[in-house]
Amino acid sequence: EVQLVESGGGLVQPGRSLRLSCAASGFTFDDYAMHWVRQAPGKGLEWVSGISWNSGSIGYADSVKGRFTISRDNAKNSLYLQMNSLRAEDTALYYCAKDIGSGVITLYYFDYWGQGTLVTVSS
Amino acid sequence: SSELTQDPAVSVALGQTVRITCQGDSLRSYYASWYQQKPGQAPVLVIYGKNNRPSGIPDRFSGSSSGNTASLTITGAQAEDEADYYCNSRDSSGNHPFGGGTKLTVL
Repeated sequence: EVQLVESGGGLVQPGRSLRLSCAASGFTFDDYAMHWVRQAPGKGLEWVSGISWNSGSIGYADSVKGRFTISRDNAKNSLYLQMNSLRAEDTALYYCAKDIGSGVITLYYFDYWGQGTLVTVSS
Repeated sequence: SSELTQDPAVSVALGQTVRITCQGDSLRSYYASWYQQKPGQAPVLVIYGKNNRPSGIPDRFSGSSSGNTASLTITGAQAEDEADYYCNSRDSSGNHPFGGGTKLTVL
């Protein structure tokens, strides 16, 4: 059974940093691209960032480019999101999501999601 | 433009057919995918690519596309289909925007 478990969320002041983690199990982690998607309270979904199976291809939404860094450790079956210079508008539930494509193919269809970790940016 | 536009709310009578639409310039070039989200739950992929359903998704869900509009059709809507539905696609600059979401009510 595929499982994605996010952690690392919490309350943080504007301008500070936070690192999110996603522990994956139930599939061959290094065969798949992975993504972060967020959802502000009561709002819609926003794709944040994605990383290919071998970290060779990385993308970011314009809203986080230059502030957030996605990474992965295939040996630890883990995905990360380093968030710097946090703003109030970054407040959201952050989901880790698996790409449906395998190997060199990143399809940007998200077939498994975690339950999310809540990030609140406030003074 | 990377924006995807959805109607905020749609309703359907139990057992009837409903179409949820998503409009955007990027849909002329790229397929949309569709996600169902129930309150307090993570989204679930229901349609991707031209018209593909992940394992476990009922065949009453189908997808189509024409011009700048992608559609999710539920044929014979059930009470459990009441949820928010989001489309997603990509644009030429590498972004992967979601639509604003459509709240489906099954009457």
